[in-house]
Amino acid sequence: DAKTTQPPSMDCAEGRAANLPCNHSTISGNEYVYWYRQIHSQGPQYIIHGLKNNETNEMASLIITEDRKSSTLILPHATLRDTAVYYCIVRVATNAGKSTFGDGTTLTVKP
Amino acid sequence: GAVVSQHPSWVICKSGTSVKIECRSLDFQATTMFWYRQFPKQSLMLMATSNEGSKATYEQGVEKDKFLINHASLTLSTLTVTSAHPEDSSFYICSAPAGTGSDTQYFGPGTRLTVL
Repeated sequence: DAKTTQPPSMDCAEGRAANLPCNHSTISGNEYVYWYRQIHSQGPQYIIHGLKNNETNEMASLIITEDRKSSTLILPHATLRDTAVYYCIVRVATNAGKSTFGDGTTLTVKP
Repeated sequence: GAVVSQHPSWVICKSGTSVKIECRSLDFQATTMFWYRQFPKQSLMLMATSNEGSKATYEQGVEKDKFLINHASLTLSTLTVTSAHPEDSSFYICSAPAGTGSDTQYFGPGTRLTVL
């Protein structure tokens, strides 16, 4: 699986959009970008994933650059409950869940 | 979304004892489940892949005789930490793909193991 690079930490004001970047310059053509988050002392929670098109669901939006070497997870209106470690993972979809976790980004949403 | 449960949520045991952790897929079947370990302030590390009806496959550096995995049914995988020692204290998390061929992985809530 391709390696990802994320900033170790970010702050965001409550109610504002949180934009979390991820670099995956060695991504292969059949690898998807997945985002998970982990709130303290809980299991990771799936957020969103995509291949090359931008994706949006009720939780977030995923913007993938045209060359697919980087992506951005957008939480449109961050709340205090969005404070968590966010992991960007790149893997083939057929790998059925075998994910390699990097260090992630600790997002702190402040009042 | 799909739900994965773990039991117990936390356990404290004495050094030298064995501890069993269960991972269940509650509303779907999982022929494959994954076990991760997470030490404080670190990321998740994959330990092994649990396969229903066959032997588990372990990641490099993980002792298969110490971390016994049994995938007895399509909804249950167990991880047994044998002869636990304080250095085995960690947060153990399982996951499963939400259905055959699914590319979305769902995680359990984790089990906090403390070995005294």
